[in-house]
Amino acid sequence: EADIYQTPRYLVIGTGKKITLECSQTMGHDKMYWYQQDPGMELHLIHYSYGVNSTEKGDLSSESTVSRIRTEHFPLTLESARPSHTSQYLCASSETGAGTDTQYFGPGTRLTVL
Amino acid sequence: AQSVSQHNHHVILSEAASLELGCNYSYGGTVNLFWYVQYPGQHLQLLLKYFSGDPLVKGIKGFEAEFIKSKFSFNLRKPSVQWSDTAEYFCAVNTGGFKTIFGAGTRLFVKA
Repeated sequence: EADIYQTPRYLVIGTGKKITLECSQTMGHDKMYWYQQDPGMELHLIHYSYGVNSTEKGDLSSESTVSRIRTEHFPLTLESARPSHTSQYLCASSETGAGTDTQYFGPGTRLTVL
Repeated sequence: AQSVSQHNHHVILSEAASLELGCNYSYGGTVNLFWYVQYPGQHLQLLLKYFSGDPLVKGIKGFEAEFIKSKFSFNLRKPSVQWSDTAEYFCAVNTGGFKTIFGAGTRLFVKA
């Protein structure tokens, strides 16, 4: 059973609000990821991290930012939410090393911006 | 650009029917291949994976997948599905480094 947590699970907010989506893992994994998932579409990587103080943008352009101050914590922040940000956000983590890259996913946060 | 294609977006089967979900990828180098599954209300989780060796890999709950390098395919199979296999299935490919590319998913509904 993967130990990766996301809060909140559901969030409905108005346009212009600042929000932070929380993600924590207790497996000691170095790598962490944020994906955006819309129904019937691929998971799109928006941010990833190799470890503490290491963050990179993924392929999908995103107005969000992330931080990695502690190994177990990888929050995602939207400074000013817009309706186009409405989506499901999945956090994942994986070990570092050859033959790995198996990702463990959290339950997701479903965000609706009105 | 690298991509993963899953042939069917929706599949409906009766219990005991055989299942094959297609997955093709576009990348000419070494790949690590995965099938993930998301049961209703649950996390996305690993079903099986291929890194090297025997191209026929077995996963949990009686699922298996075959890597055919010449066809760039990694199809998922199960000889006899159960109602509890109702879920969404994602094929994924890692080409090295941080990036894993996911397909759009196939929703399987098994009628009891």
